[in-house]
Amino acid sequence: KAGVTQTPRYLIKTRGQQVTLSCSPISGHRSVSWYQQTPGQGLQFLFEYFSETQRNKGNFPGRFSGRQFSNSRSEMNVSTLELGDSALYLCASSGTVTNTEAFFGQGTRLTVV
Amino acid sequence: DQQVKQNSPSLSVQEGRISILNCDYTNSMFDYFLWYKKYPAEGPTFLISISSIKDKNEDGRFTVFLNKSAKHLSLHIVPSQPGDSAVYFCAASALTGNQFYFGTGTSLTVIP
Repeated sequence: KAGVTQTPRYLIKTRGQQVTLSCSPISGHRSVSWYQQTPGQGLQFLFEYFSETQRNKGNFPGRFSGRQFSNSRSEMNVSTLELGDSALYLCASSGTVTNTEAFFGQGTRLTVV
Repeated sequence: DQQVKQNSPSLSVQEGRISILNCDYTNSMFDYFLWYKKYPAEGPTFLISISSIKDKNEDGRFTVFLNKSAKHLSLHIVPSQPGDSAVYFCAASALTGNQFYFGTGTSLTVIP
């Protein structure tokens, strides 16, 4: 059974640009969550999608957005990139309605210069 | 506002000894807790979980203890092995919600 796949693995963008990250969950999983990991901040929750609907949203500015497709694949978009957006972005999928366990991808390392 | 806290950024333990990683939380609505292990350049991998109806859960060398009154949980690794060297994150959720709150992680080094 294939795990959670995130693309690309590494990305370098310039301040002011926008970026789209992709996540393919484990087959059969309908929930996809996104997290930002920065040194000293742990994993900060961005948002969670279930069956194409955003169910929960963390405390991030509107520049961070996402969506989920009918095949459960999800994309995360960050517009008007800032230097502080440099981080590891992790996607997690869950196969249970109440998300008792989340399986993470390897992440996308975004560097904003 | 960090609702899940891991106050020790790092921990070093001799191989064969016990590793104890601690985690505190502030939200009394949390009723499900997990530990994840993360190696560099990899995503976190699930280690062990515990629900609030229990105060202990074991899986091989790993045991998680939950003290609800103190809002504290700990992960015990016995015996510690060099391959256990990684960053450990604790996470909490309310089963009525769909969001995990993570701590900032503790970097464990097991010295051979």
